[in-house]
Amino acid sequence: ETGVTQTPRHLVMGMTNKKSLKCEQHLGHNAMYWYKQSAKKPLELMFVYNFKEQTENNSVPSRFSPECPNSSHLFLHLHTLQPEDSALYLCASSQDRSGNYEQYFGPGTRLTVT
Amino acid sequence: QKEVEQDPGPLSVPEGAIVSLNCTYSNSAFQYFMWYRQYSRKGPELLMYTYSSGNKEDGRFTAQVDKSSKYISLFIRDSQPSDSATYLCAMSGSGGSYIPTFGRGTSLIVHP
Repeated sequence: ETGVTQTPRHLVMGMTNKKSLKCEQHLGHNAMYWYKQSAKKPLELMFVYNFKEQTENNSVPSRFSPECPNSSHLFLHLHTLQPEDSALYLCASSQDRSGNYEQYFGPGTRLTVT
Repeated sequence: QKEVEQDPGPLSVPEGAIVSLNCTYSNSAFQYFMWYRQYSRKGPELLMYTYSSGNKEDGRFTAQVDKSSKYISLFIRDSQPSDSATYLCAMSGSGGSYIPTFGRGTSLIVHP
């Protein structure tokens, strides 16, 4: 595997379910990001991790819970979601967040909340 | 006023046309300007970047930044059907932050 991978690619869940999204980067980067992409809206930054430490939480509801066990893996734990949370969730990585602008994105997880 | 404005399109052009994609922004502190291309069912990939004002050319693609007008452009020459995608502008460097602020993206369709 190369680049940034995300699993699952598609997820349908009910509002009472608990699920997790997984992201893995094979680039040796130190910063990882979660974004939400909704139709016709700009990418919304959700969380930033730098060297496994969370450095930004962009006022994201607590029903989204990130976890970064090491610099290569990032999870997004989901529980009691709402239909408006349906979107494409993108993971990205960069060398670090202090000087290298180039982010590499995964293919995303298409989430549908019913 | 949104920080980054980008017309969502769609923009439909014939093959071989010159395409002009644009973004305007309000934060004069932005220093890094990027264009990402996103194909359907894929994540965005970095296409071009420019630091501060000026032009940058890479093959059929030219990125232009006019900081005095707070306006950036991406030109695609000899457009191909394979260029059909959504193009996202992004900018960063305000307040020392290198996390990009993205536009909504413009959907481009190049028809044969």
